Amino acid sequence: KQEVTQIPAALSVPEGENLVLNCSFTDSAIYNLQWFRQDPGKGLTSLLLIQSSQREQTSGRLNASLDKSSGRSTLYIAASQPGDSATYLCAGPELTGGGNKLTFGTGTQLKVEL
Amino acid sequence: DTGVSQDPRHKITKRGQNVTFRCDPISEHNRLYWYRQTLGQGPEFLTYFQNEAQLEKSRLLSDRFSAERPKGSFSTLEIQRTEQGDSAMYLCASSLGPDRGYGYTFGSGTRLTVV
Repeated sequence: KQEVTQIPAALSVPEGENLVLNCSFTDSAIYNLQWFRQDPGKGLTSLLLIQSSQREQTSGRLNASLDKSSGRSTLYIAASQPGDSATYLCAGPELTGGGNKLTFGTGTQLKVEL
Repeated sequence: DTGVSQDPRHKITKRGQNVTFRCDPISEHNRLYWYRQTLGQGPEFLTYFQNEAQLEKSRLLSDRFSAERPKGSFSTLEIQRTEQGDSAMYLCASSLGPDRGYGYTFGSGTRLTVV
């Protein structure tokens, strides 16, 4: 059974800092991993999808990496802004039973302060 | 196409009442998923459809929960005889097939409060 862990649970940084959010997973046979953003009381917005054949994906100030051998993914946010304040969730496929569902971590709650 | 739509956004109901939520996926997506999220937790899988067939249900989905996807388009999730423990955010997602390299697109969710 896939288990996903995110560290830290919460993070507060001053505006302009670069930061790294960590995600670890137990089943390294995953074929992709997805990072999401969730604002309070809202749904999930997909940020980046990394395929198992890739090591990195970039979108603007966001860069996500995937290391299957170590069971880790990181989300790097450059030059953080107050608008980046949200909860960031990573999710990988549950491979038992066909891989037709995602297993989520509990998220990292990010606050970027002025 | 504007993405995955969920209705209503919020629902407050009295314990014991039945509620129904609707999800309209991205039109070309053949897979549709329902998840439930409680405060401070990540979303948990409830059920999954491929076209109109419900292929998997979580043990979280008690007999009071039923989901349908008639004609493989929109889906409904009904909760009968609601309990306070059903209070949560109910999220719908659709995909072309994650095992073929496609990610999930989520809707804005329906927040259910049972009083």
